[in-house]
Amino acid sequence: DTEVTQTPKHLVMGMTNKKSLKCEQHMGHRAMYWYKQKAKKPPELMFVYSYEKLSINESVPSRFSPECPNSSLLNLHLHALQPEDSALYLCASSPEWVPEQFFGPGTRLTVL
Amino acid sequence: GQQLNQSPQSMFIQEGEDVSMNCTSSSIFNTWLWYKQDPGEGPVLLIALYKAGELTSNGRLTAQFGITRKDSFLNISASIPSDVGIYFCAGQLVKGGSEKLVFGKGMKLTVNP
Repeated sequence: DTEVTQTPKHLVMGMTNKKSLKCEQHMGHRAMYWYKQKAKKPPELMFVYSYEKLSINESVPSRFSPECPNSSLLNLHLHALQPEDSALYLCASSPEWVPEQFFGPGTRLTVL
Repeated sequence: GQQLNQSPQSMFIQEGEDVSMNCTSSSIFNTWLWYKQDPGEGPVLLIALYKAGELTSNGRLTAQFGITRKDSFLNISASIPSDVGIYFCAGQLVKGGSEKLVFGKGMKLTVNP
């Protein structure tokens, strides 16, 4: 398995909802990332997990809560989001000590 | 913070033409990466560059790591319609590890058949 998978592909939620995004990779990569991407902009780093521990939090609001249950899975829990949080949320992974990051297809999130 | 200046921001070319794009920075990078992103999809890694002066090809793609380590270019030869998309450069400041990538703003390529 040589890909990063993300579910769901699309998600529409209200501002009072709680939802979760899921990311999975079975390439043995030790680092996993969450990015947010607005239209016509580059990906913007949110969180980095290294060896299942949170190593970088780019001052992301607490309404986004990451979780890494094991080395293959990365979740992003969403609660009380704002319409401006609507974006493409990308997950990526990278092997140990290698800079190349491999991206999943993303989850298109719409907050109403 | 560090920024990558990517140019041009967009290009409209005819099928069969070559296209070139570049990224520059005031910071020295240890690694340069080039990605392509199709609409509604995640970026796909095209080429990775690790050494100053390195020239690497991947099919019709050629990329170089600038000798000053502050720039990189990507060339696409004999463009085809499926080359359409947004091309991002990305640099990593720190050798190895799960460190941040700095992304350019992207270059939107349109290929007219």
